[in-house]
Amino acid sequence: EVQLVESGGGLVQPGGSLRLSCAASGFTFSSYSMNWVRQAPGKGLECVSFISASSTAMHYADSVKGRFTISRDNAKNSLYLQMNSLRAEDTAVYYCARGTHSGSWLIDYWGQGTLVTVSS
Amino acid sequence: EIVLTQSPGTLSLSPGERATLSCRASQSVSSSYLAWYQQKPGQAPRFLIYDASSRATGIPDRFSGSGSGTDFTLTISRLEPEDFAVYYCQQYASAPRTFGQGTKVEIK
Repeated sequence: EVQLVESGGGLVQPGGSLRLSCAASGFTFSSYSMNWVRQAPGKGLECVSFISASSTAMHYADSVKGRFTISRDNAKNSLYLQMNSLRAEDTAVYYCARGTHSGSWLIDYWGQGTLVTVSS
Repeated sequence: EIVLTQSPGTLSLSPGERATLSCRASQSVSSSYLAWYQQKPGQAPRFLIYDASSRATGIPDRFSGSGSGTDFTLTISRLEPEDFAVYYCQQYASAPRTFGQGTKVEIK
């Protein structure tokens, strides 16, 4: 069974930093692309970042470019999102989500999410 | 950026009825790279449909997708109690990948 478990969310002040982690199990992590998708309270879904299976391709939403960095450790079956210079508008539930194959942009499985609140 | 507009915003129906949800793109979605997701309150989205019309593994056949180009439709043939939720379309043909704003299917 595919499982994706996010951690690292919490309350942070504007301008602060946070590192999200996602622990993956139930599949060969190194064979799949991964994503971070966020959902602001009561709002819709936004693709934040993408990383291919071998980390050769990475994409970011314009709203986070230059502030967020996606990475993965295939040996540890883990995905990360380093978030710097956080703003109030970054407040959201952040979902870790799996692509359907190594370079795919299509998402099939989602974690339960971790809440990030940016507030003073 | 491809903008996806979903309609209606809310659909009020009774169990057993047919639901028809629309997703319109601001420009053509190449290769029909259009997916649908279902989200219930407090839960993560669930993968339903990909490539506009292919059902994901384990999705009941009452869910069907159709369309191409700029107009896409998700149809639920007979609503079950567990189908009342918010539905999002997403295009994965070009960067940035974008979602529609969602259609809420509520019990009438």
